[in-house]
Amino acid sequence: SQELEQSPQSLIVQEGKNLTINCTSSKTLYGLYWYKQKYGEGLIFLMMLQKGGEEKSHEKITAKLDEKKQQSSLHITASQPSHAGIYLCGADPITGNQFYFGTGTSLTVIP
Amino acid sequence: NAGVTQTPKFRVLKTGQSMTLLCAQDMNHEYMYWYRQDPGMGLRLIHYSVGEGTTAKGEVPDGYNVSRLKKQNFLLGLESAAPSQTSVYFCASRGVTEAFFGQGTRLTVV
Repeated sequence: SQELEQSPQSLIVQEGKNLTINCTSSKTLYGLYWYKQKYGEGLIFLMMLQKGGEEKSHEKITAKLDEKKQQSSLHITASQPSHAGIYLCGADPITGNQFYFGTGTSLTVIP
Repeated sequence: NAGVTQTPKFRVLKTGQSMTLLCAQDMNHEYMYWYRQDPGMGLRLIHYSVGEGTTAKGEVPDGYNVSRLKKQNFLLGLESAAPSQTSVYFCASRGVTEAFFGQGTRLTVV
């Protein structure tokens, strides 16, 4: 969706390195969702952010939502090969009921 | 993901045939969605529902129909399949603080 921009499109990192993936919306959001997808598999729900300035963590993955509720970042600390996959952000805007997604960030972690 | 089941997982159709994909959720969610995922195109919303008996068009609705007769089920129909509908289809169910996906249906139209 052009309404949700993710960057970078792909990322290759050495095991143990930290990394950040960004998701930017053209609209103010009600909620921002993060997912991980392995090739050929379904989407695994990681976390959802609702409040401006909110930060949540799931194991070594931390996500933040900015105060304006239009931008989110996903940060992985000390990456491992198990973190490899495609990370997608999804959002529902304050107006409307649609639930749309960015095009994803492909993460490769080299042992 | 727990709570969202899609059937079937795989299907091969001939051009012009029809089929129905079923999405079932057991979380009492109001919102349900159907997407297709194609290489380089990301997840595109086909149709969605905000509650039992309601449906609405998404980004790419042409060639598909949906029904939500029961809150827990959301059906996606292809009346006359075309090769352009070859894709992986995902269903999602969304609550207040979470949204889960089914495991996907890989559909090939020959």
